[in-house]
Amino acid sequence: SQQGEEDPQALSIQEGENATMNCSYKTSINNLQWYRQNSGRGLVHLILIRSNEREKHSGRLRVTLDTSKKSSSLLITASRAADTASYFCATVYGGSQGNLIFGKGTKLSVKP
Amino acid sequence: DTGVSQNPRHKITKRGQNVTFRCDPISEHNRLYWYRQTLGQGPEFLTYFQNEAQLEKSRLLSDRFSAERPKGSFSTLEIQRTEQGDSAMYLCASSLEGGGYEQYFGPGTRLTVT
Repeated sequence: SQQGEEDPQALSIQEGENATMNCSYKTSINNLQWYRQNSGRGLVHLILIRSNEREKHSGRLRVTLDTSKKSSSLLITASRAADTASYFCATVYGGSQGNLIFGKGTKLSVKP
Repeated sequence: DTGVSQNPRHKITKRGQNVTFRCDPISEHNRLYWYRQTLGQGPEFLTYFQNEAQLEKSRLLSDRFSAERPKGSFSTLEIQRTEQGDSAMYLCASSLEGGGYEQYFGPGTRLTVT
């Protein structure tokens, strides 16, 4: 079963606006990762945040992690049309060997 | 290109036929994972290898599915007696050893069972 739940399921914004996606999970984790998937393609790794970290940045991406609430958020600042894709959070839970448990994803549409 | 590659990219087969997919991981990665993704869903874990050893299998991996990674390099995923419910994107990923590393995904093999 899928552990993560992303919110919202779909998001439509204008170029230049910020996009925020949230992810909730159920059990304790080793780390949480965000991936992007363009339509019909493979997944591209964006950022990994470990359970003892609270915030991480990578370019226009900012990820936060709140282990007490079992939630994470991904912020994309100054969005571009090329950011249009599905975004998935994936967790590596504490007892696992590294296999990722994905949510259903947020479909982001950035209009030029 | 030193990324993860998968072949074929698309496969159309008739119900009841056997199919085999191949994954070539990034060369220095000793972990290799297989996932399945259906439309509108996130990928679901099927199985993973550390070197040539298959260490974990999901209950999604029925008896009709078998995976191998001879010599710890490329991997194959075979589906016997395909069913329409097997239609999905099959994704392969590789990583360094341990659960604390990001996984690098291939482009996937899209299987359509008619």
